[in-house]
Amino acid sequence: EVQVVESGGGLVQPGRSLRLSCSVSGLTFGDYAMNWVRQAPGKGLEWVSFIRSRTYGGATEYAASVRGRFTISRDDSKRIVYLQMNSLKTEDTAVYYCTRLQRDYFDIWGQGTLVTVSS
Amino acid sequence: EIVLTQSPGTLSLSPGERATLSCRASQSISSSNLVWYQQKPGQAPRLLIYDASSRATGIPDRFGGSGSGTDFTLTISRLEPEDFAVYYCQHYGNSLFTFGPGTKVDIK
Repeated sequence: EVQVVESGGGLVQPGRSLRLSCSVSGLTFGDYAMNWVRQAPGKGLEWVSFIRSRTYGGATEYAASVRGRFTISRDDSKRIVYLQMNSLKTEDTAVYYCTRLQRDYFDIWGQGTLVTVSS
Repeated sequence: EIVLTQSPGTLSLSPGERATLSCRASQSISSSNLVWYQQKPGQAPRLLIYDASSRATGIPDRFGGSGSGTDFTLTISRLEPEDFAVYYCQHYGNSLFTFGPGTKVDIK
């Protein structure tokens, strides 16, 4: 059974940093691109970032709203994807979902971790 | 950048009725890049349809997708109680993923 489990969310002040982790089991982790998608309270879905597999050089992409502040990375030996979030803003408050990218869609989702940016 | 618009914002229907949800792209897109998800309150989204019309694994055949160019449709032939949820369309292009704002299907 495939499991995707996010962790690391919590309450953080504006301007501070937080690192999210996404632990994956039940699939050949290294073969897939992984993503972060977020959802602000009561709002829709927003793609945040993806990281390709090592086969594709581990290339990364970011939404304009987080580029330069967030960094995605992966540790294939630990089967973990990270999202380092710096210079956090109140508008970054959201549930952050870790997802597997299958070609060009998200077929497996974790249950999400809530990040609240507030003073 | 492609912008996706979904209509209606809310669809109020009764169980057993047919639901027709629209997703319109700001410019013509490939059908192979149009996807639909379902999200229930407190849950993560679930993949329903990819390539505009292909059902994901385990998705009942009452869910159908169609469309091309700029206009795409998700149809639920007969609403079951578990189908009342929010539905999002999504597009991938130029290394960017875009979601529509969603259509909420609620019980009339």
